[in-house]
Amino acid sequence: SQQGEEDPQALSIQEGENATMNCSYKTSINNLQWYRQNSGRGLVHLILIRSNEREKHSGRLRVTLDTSKKSSSLLITASRAADTASYFCATDWDGGATNKLIFGTGTLLAVQP
Amino acid sequence: NAGVTQTPKFQVLKTGQSMTLQCAQDMNHEYMSWYRQDPGMGLRLIHYSVGAGITDQGEVPNGYNVSRSTTEDFPLRLLSAAPSQTSVYFCASSYSGQNEAFFGQGTRLTVV
Repeated sequence: SQQGEEDPQALSIQEGENATMNCSYKTSINNLQWYRQNSGRGLVHLILIRSNEREKHSGRLRVTLDTSKKSSSLLITASRAADTASYFCATDWDGGATNKLIFGTGTLLAVQP
Repeated sequence: NAGVTQTPKFQVLKTGQSMTLQCAQDMNHEYMSWYRQDPGMGLRLIHYSVGAGITDQGEVPNGYNVSRSTTEDFPLRLLSAAPSQTSVYFCASSYSGQNEAFFGQGTRLTVV
């Protein structure tokens, strides 16, 4: 399987705390994306970081990318109960030539009010 | 805009039955794909398409067929349903291979 891996598999924090989740992947990439999935719903795109970028911010989200270690991290600052969801990283399969994505196994984040 | 629309939302099939999962997008995206999501496995690619008339296999294509006769629609056919195909199926579209993907709400399929 070409799937990436994420850790931790599950994370429980209090509202207001920061949440960090990590993603490791196996092949060279053109870009890496993070998605959120609320229970029973579809995936929502959060942020895309290209292979020539090291860090990217979007609101309370901060993503880093280390291509030498084939890893990425997603930081959610000042978490809210509404951030409770599963978070997935996804990498392009073939350098972005097609829309094929390889997903990690996900991190289940629970934010306690 | 409706985005990516999948029908049905839920389906129960008996082993051996066939059915088609529908997917339509109204964003004029050339790229469309189908994934299945199983517990603890994340999403795995079944089939994908880079434009009308062009399809190819993903990681887990066995037991599924696709066609792409229009830009808007990308149906997924289960030829002879098996219990191993019990899963949640997601359709996605994107403007290109280097842009974000938009996902439908999913079809929860149970094969008994």
